[in-house]
Amino acid sequence: AQTVTQSQPEMSVQEAETVTLSCTYDTSESDYYLFWYKQPPSRQMILVIRQEAYKQQNATENRFSVNFQKAAKSFSLKISDSQLGDAAMYFCASASNTGNQFYFGTGTSLTVIP
Amino acid sequence: DTAVSQTPKYLVTQMGNDKSIKCEQNLGHDTMYWYKQDSKKFLKIMFSYNNKELIINETVPNRFSPKSPDKAHLNLHINSLELGDSAVYFCASSQRASNQPQHFGDGTRLSIL
Repeated sequence: AQTVTQSQPEMSVQEAETVTLSCTYDTSESDYYLFWYKQPPSRQMILVIRQEAYKQQNATENRFSVNFQKAAKSFSLKISDSQLGDAAMYFCASASNTGNQFYFGTGTSLTVIP
Repeated sequence: DTAVSQTPKYLVTQMGNDKSIKCEQNLGHDTMYWYKQDSKKFLKIMFSYNNKELIINETVPNRFSPKSPDKAHLNLHINSLELGDSAVYFCASSQRASNQPQHFGDGTRLSIL
């Protein structure tokens, strides 16, 4: 089994600033995948970014990027130039290549201050 | 063109009743899931079906019974509803390979009176 830990229940950032959300995971798998999902107040679950563990290069999607440290089993999300619409709950998730199960962290609630 | 659709979006009912939540995906995915999100926003997987076959069944009361008539549908039936069943229930789907992200429905908020 895998576990995913998000140690920051709440974070806040000033609009236009940068914020980093932390995520660590524990797995015995050699091949796995990591994801960040965003859940705004509308409660939709929206995929933000995805990282394959075998790739050393950090994934980037516009203002969103990850810092993937495989040895440390760390997968943090950096949001640059924060916008009011970034305010949401952010979930880190992992999935092994041997099954269909996703493991979600407990989430980080991000507030963007105008 | 909704990819994963759940009905109803809101469900308010009394303790002891039986209710169903329907889920359909038009993405051609092989695998579908049910999650429960409690008041603290914690997401817990309940069931996973692949091509209509149950592959994950977490510790869930047997009052909860999923039914998959075909791989595009995964419905959730709940018997004898209890106060603790109040939550948001999410349906999701994905291709079998785990590098593919899950696509979620908009959730069903179940409130037990």
